[in-house]
Amino acid sequence: DTAVSQTPKYLVTQMGNDKSIKCEQNLGHDTMYWYKQDSKKFLKIMFSYNNKELIINETVPNRFSPKSPDKAHLNLHINSLELGDSAVYFCASSQGLVSTNYGYTFGSGTRLTVV
Amino acid sequence: AQKITQTQPGMFVQEKEAVTLDCTYDTSDQSYGLFWYKQPSSGEMIFLIYQGSYDEQNATEGRYSLNFQKARKSANLVISASQLGDSAMYFCAMRPYTGTASKLTFGTGTRLQVTL
Repeated sequence: DTAVSQTPKYLVTQMGNDKSIKCEQNLGHDTMYWYKQDSKKFLKIMFSYNNKELIINETVPNRFSPKSPDKAHLNLHINSLELGDSAVYFCASSQGLVSTNYGYTFGSGTRLTVV
Repeated sequence: AQKITQTQPGMFVQEKEAVTLDCTYDTSDQSYGLFWYKQPSSGEMIFLIYQGSYDEQNATEGRYSLNFQKARKSANLVISASQLGDSAMYFCAMRPYTGTASKLTFGTGTRLQVTL
């Protein structure tokens, strides 16, 4: 039933590890996104894919690599995790590149803690 | 580049009262959408209301209304008859309708606390 689902919901890992967060949407949307919410609650876009094609790639360390096997899935892989990567990561989707209503539908977020 | 400004880091309102959360934006785009999202303590992002830049009427969704003043570039959220469950972070966001790389940009948020 869930529209945009992310797994895992919580992720605690040590510095230097590699981890992945998975995202799936069943809304039939064309475009998916990754956002990072920092400790001050500020939300910033990281990546966007439209029909498996990368269309937005903000200034993000290249340790972060998104992968979209199909338009319903967008995963985020992070190499060599650092303390500063601790944040909540949100996946989102929208219909079309320029949807006119309802903004994005967000997943419930993945709280990543690097220790 | 777009910029969204929410000048109220925190607000208090009594139950059953109305409250206005401020949002101003800066863009050179002519066509765009304005959005408000609610983030309760459980963490999920909940869409509340949308206003298109060419919409002449202010948007309303139940107890939520958006006071859109295009010339002033403001898009304030009005919550009427506040409830305890309205306590949350509220984010204003904007998305220009400019093509392939259009993205939703958020403000810094306002934390609303509803009191008895």
